Amino acid sequence: EPEVTQTPSHQVTQMGQEVILRCVPISNHLYFYWYRQILGQKVEFLVSFYNNEISEKSEIFDDQFSVERPDGSNFTLKIRSTKLEDSAMYFCASSEVQAKGFGSGTRLTVV
Amino acid sequence: AQSVTQPDIHITVSEGASLELRCNYSYGATPYLFWYVQSPGQGLQLLLKYFSGDTLVQGIKGFEAEFKRSQSSFNLRKPSVHWSDAAEYFCAASSGAGSYQLTFGKGTKLSVIP
Repeated sequence: EPEVTQTPSHQVTQMGQEVILRCVPISNHLYFYWYRQILGQKVEFLVSFYNNEISEKSEIFDDQFSVERPDGSNFTLKIRSTKLEDSAMYFCASSEVQAKGFGSGTRLTVV
Repeated sequence: AQSVTQPDIHITVSEGASLELRCNYSYGATPYLFWYVQSPGQGLQLLLKYFSGDTLVQGIKGFEAEFKRSQSSFNLRKPSVHWSDAAEYFCAASSGAGSYQLTFGKGTKLSVIP
């Protein structure tokens, strides 16, 4: 069964550094998403992406964040200057319509 | 504001016992509803979804959920729990109608006693 893959599974970065989280969505899906889960809290929506542009974003997704589909297979989340509070598990998801397949996540630790 | 509530943070059941995990939603109209499961160190796996039609939906791993409009609920059930069902379970909703963002509940952690 096809699945969303994310790399790396764990990334440690220094505060203020830029970080790029990578995702390979399911190949025939057209909608792409990033969610995050701060330890002990609920999963929160960050952004959805369709047809090479952002279709929805939450208030969490400020100017520090950006998304890109640099080629036909990858979907990336960039955090420009990481803060301690960006430490979380970041999940990528993709879908055709509503039911989404999620990746196993990238745990980002900002030190 | 749209919200999803899972009242139980942690539930412990014995293996072989039945299970019901509660989920309530607050939306202007009937949302699309989902249950996901997350095992430690794993991603979110879709168990089942409800869009419309039959209010009792069957999912994978022997799970089912019943949509009750009058109670704004979408509770997850399983008649006989297996030790491998120990995980965290998330209820989620989407308003559909052009919105593709999911709103998640805080999750219910399920522990299974052998």
